[in-house]
Amino acid sequence: RKEVEQDPGPFNVPEGATVAFNCTYSNSASQSFFWYRQDCRKEPKLLMSVYSSGNEDGRFTAQLNRASQYISLLIRDSKLSDSATYLCVVNGGNNDMRFGAGTRLTVKP
Amino acid sequence: DAGVIQSPRHEVTEMGQEVTLRCKPISGHDYLFWYRQTMMRGLELLIYFNNNVPIDDSGMPEDRFSAKMPNASFSTLKIQPSEPRDSAVYFCASSLLAGGHYGYTFGSGTRLTVV
Repeated sequence: RKEVEQDPGPFNVPEGATVAFNCTYSNSASQSFFWYRQDCRKEPKLLMSVYSSGNEDGRFTAQLNRASQYISLLIRDSKLSDSATYLCVVNGGNNDMRFGAGTRLTVKP
Repeated sequence: DAGVIQSPRHEVTEMGQEVTLRCKPISGHDYLFWYRQTMMRGLELLIYFNNNVPIDDSGMPEDRFSAKMPNASFSTLKIQPSEPRDSAVYFCASSLLAGGHYGYTFGSGTRLTVV
């Protein structure tokens, strides 16, 4: 079993749609969690950290469920510019950052 | 700040040649990471440094790979001799705090092709 698992997609959604991605992790001692965004042929960029209480940044909402060991990312009112690969990242401690394989999102007009 | 700077952006080399990838982390960041990304394996951590000292190199594939950080503003990843299976995008990243508490900042990557 992979340490961080994501549905690879692709998710193809129309503009304005709401889309959600899930990610599961195997290390119950994991300490911090992130969502990164990676555009085609570019570097990953930090989208947001994920906190136990859940957190929101504009149209993006991240949730963490430690008991079930999963993380989610919700994107509301999708824009064309949201098209990218979204990487779930889990820090097991001591800079042991594990990246998921990514979920590809395409937002269509 | 210019961010994490990597060079070259692209490298095409013949099998058996030595390849050197370079990275300049963000000033003041104490942690530097080298990652490799392929379609098959995704992003893999190769090695990371704290205050210029290698801390964990367990991800380095084999002895053909070596990394150095002679000072706080420069690191190299060397492959000698290179093989076609080393073809990948190599990213350097830096962070301010341990545990990636605020995430890492990645450079633009070096796309390596070994023919």
